[in-house]
Amino acid sequence: DAKTTQPPSMDCAEGRAANLPCNHSTISGNEYVYWYRQIHSQGPQYIIHGLKNNETNEMASLIITEDRKSSTLILPHATLRDTAVYYCIVRGTGGGADGLTFGKGTHLIIQP
Amino acid sequence: GAVVSQHPSRVICKSGTSVKIECRSLDFQATTMFWYRQFPKKSLMLMATSNEGSKATYEQGVEKDKFLINHASLTLSTLTVTSAHPEDSSFYICSVMGQGISYEQYFGPGTRLTVT
Repeated sequence: DAKTTQPPSMDCAEGRAANLPCNHSTISGNEYVYWYRQIHSQGPQYIIHGLKNNETNEMASLIITEDRKSSTLILPHATLRDTAVYYCIVRGTGGGADGLTFGKGTHLIIQP
Repeated sequence: GAVVSQHPSRVICKSGTSVKIECRSLDFQATTMFWYRQFPKKSLMLMATSNEGSKATYEQGVEKDKFLINHASLTLSTLTVTSAHPEDSSFYICSVMGQGISYEQYFGPGTRLTVT
């Protein structure tokens, strides 16, 4: 699985859009980009995933660059409850059901 | 997504005793479940992959005789920490594999184990 690089922390004002970047320059053609988040003392929560097209769901949008070497998770209207550690994970599906490798993630702090 | 529960949410046990943690997939049948642990201020680390009806696959460095995994049904996997020691104190989290082709995972709320 390709390695990812994320900033260790970010601040965002409540009500504004939070844009979380992730670099994955060694991503290969069959690898998806997944985003999870972990609120303190809880299990991680799946947010969104994508292969090459931009994706949107009720939680967030995922923008993947054309060369797929980086992506941005967008929380359109951040609330205090969005304060969490956000993990960007790249993994392929060719190996079937594999566990996830978590990096250090980005600690997003939403300021009131 | 899938709904996953864990029981207990917190447990305190004495050194040398064994503790069983249950992970349940509440709304679909999960052939594959995963167990992770997380030490304070660290990321989750995969411990093992639990496959229904077969032996679990353990990650390097995880002792299979110490962390016993049973996945006897499509909705239940259990992790038993045998002869627990204070260094086993951690946050244990299970996940189930989604039913989509892209293998997203859905996590339980976690179990906080403290060994005294």
